[in-house]
Amino acid sequence: EAGVAQSPRYKIIEKRQSVAFWCNPISGHATLYWYQQILGQGPKLLIQFQNNGVVDDSQLPKDRFSAERLKGVDSTLKIQPAKLEDSAVYLCASSPPWDRGRGTQYFGPGTRLLVL
Amino acid sequence: RKEVEQDPGPFNVPEGATVAFNCTYSNSASQSFFWYRQDCRKEPKLLMSVYSSGNEDGRFTAQLNRASQYISLLIRDSKLSDSATYLCVVNPDRGGADGLTFGKGTHLIIQP
Repeated sequence: EAGVAQSPRYKIIEKRQSVAFWCNPISGHATLYWYQQILGQGPKLLIQFQNNGVVDDSQLPKDRFSAERLKGVDSTLKIQPAKLEDSAVYLCASSPPWDRGRGTQYFGPGTRLLVL
Repeated sequence: RKEVEQDPGPFNVPEGATVAFNCTYSNSASQSFFWYRQDCRKEPKLLMSVYSSGNEDGRFTAQLNRASQYISLLIRDSKLSDSATYLCVVNPDRGGADGLTFGKGTHLIIQP
């Protein structure tokens, strides 16, 4: 079974530029999550989708971050404009519908973002 | 107070030894609890769920104490391959929202 795919794997941008990350979850997984992991910290939830609807975006900095999952499969996370403190690994995860609340989330390899 | 607190370590442990980690969580309404493992520059992976009755998976034993809001992980007969960061994870299960809350992680180094 193919895992969660993410691209690009690495991105270097200058502050105030825009950047977008892409995620393709495991086939059949209705729930998709984006997490931000700053060096030395645990992952922090940014947003949760159930199919193409947003379930939780309470920790998403909406002044600069946006995310969509238009067809309920792939998702894109965008930062516009980027700040130095956005340097982190952006992890996408998915979970199957029969696993709700059980915490079995499958993570992609992440996109490492460096903002200069 | 942080939602999930862990000692970041590092814990330097000789191969074959027993090592224990713990963490505390602040949200008493949290519904489910887990340990995830994260290798250097890799994504987190579920190690095991944690139940009040305690659960064991091979050399790994996890325990939850709801009254004290405390979660533990015990690794017996540690192997070099156990070297990793162990993330304590809580699922507050806020209605339909079940995004995970992670601790900072405890860094374990098994020495030959």
